[in-house]
Amino acid sequence: DVKVTQSSRYLVKRTGEKVFLECVQDMDHENMFWYRQDPGLGLRLIYFSYDVKMKEKGDIPEGYSVSREKKERFSLILESASTNQTSMYLCASSRDRLIYTFGSGTRLTVV
Amino acid sequence: DQQVKQNSPSLSVQEGRISILNCDYTNSMFDYFLWYKKYPAEGPTFLISISSIKDKNEDGRFTVFLNKSAKHLSLHIVPSQPGDSAVYFCAAKDGGATNKLIFGTGTLLAVQP
Repeated sequence: DVKVTQSSRYLVKRTGEKVFLECVQDMDHENMFWYRQDPGLGLRLIYFSYDVKMKEKGDIPEGYSVSREKKERFSLILESASTNQTSMYLCASSRDRLIYTFGSGTRLTVV
Repeated sequence: DQQVKQNSPSLSVQEGRISILNCDYTNSMFDYFLWYKKYPAEGPTFLISISSIKDKNEDGRFTVFLNKSAKHLSLHIVPSQPGDSAVYFCAAKDGGATNKLIFGTGTLLAVQP
């Protein structure tokens, strides 16, 4: 059974902290994505990657960066966490850039 | 600027009846449209898709209709079951260089027993 695993289900961090959200997939997919889900706003794309060491900005990249050193791992970094980054973060991978397999999400609270 | 819009935040339907979820889009370059379903505390899962060259795709109880002239698609669930209660996201694939998916805001479907 294919899987996308996000390292934490719940995280609470303080304002100004550097936060790492980890995502690992076991499907040998080249394409990986980070979204955030907020009420009334749906899923918004933060960053994506179509290959190792490659990254592209999505629609809301401000305040975030990513790292893809290995094909199976795509990390989202909040350089200095702020309260407006409190959200549900969803990682996804895809073979064909059409059908995505999502992780279960990380609910991040910044206090 | 929301390119994919789901104007109904929620929908309530009786078990056994038809559920119709709607989605509007603005970009004529979208080449695929998809529906994803999301249960609480889980990630979205793929449900059904349709190519922009078709107007209907059916998979069991789920049918997606595409009206390109109106830039509108809909998901029909017949008959609706309580297990269908979830948030449904419409998504469209940008057929340009990035090939990324753009998601709508979601519709919460509640199927009442």
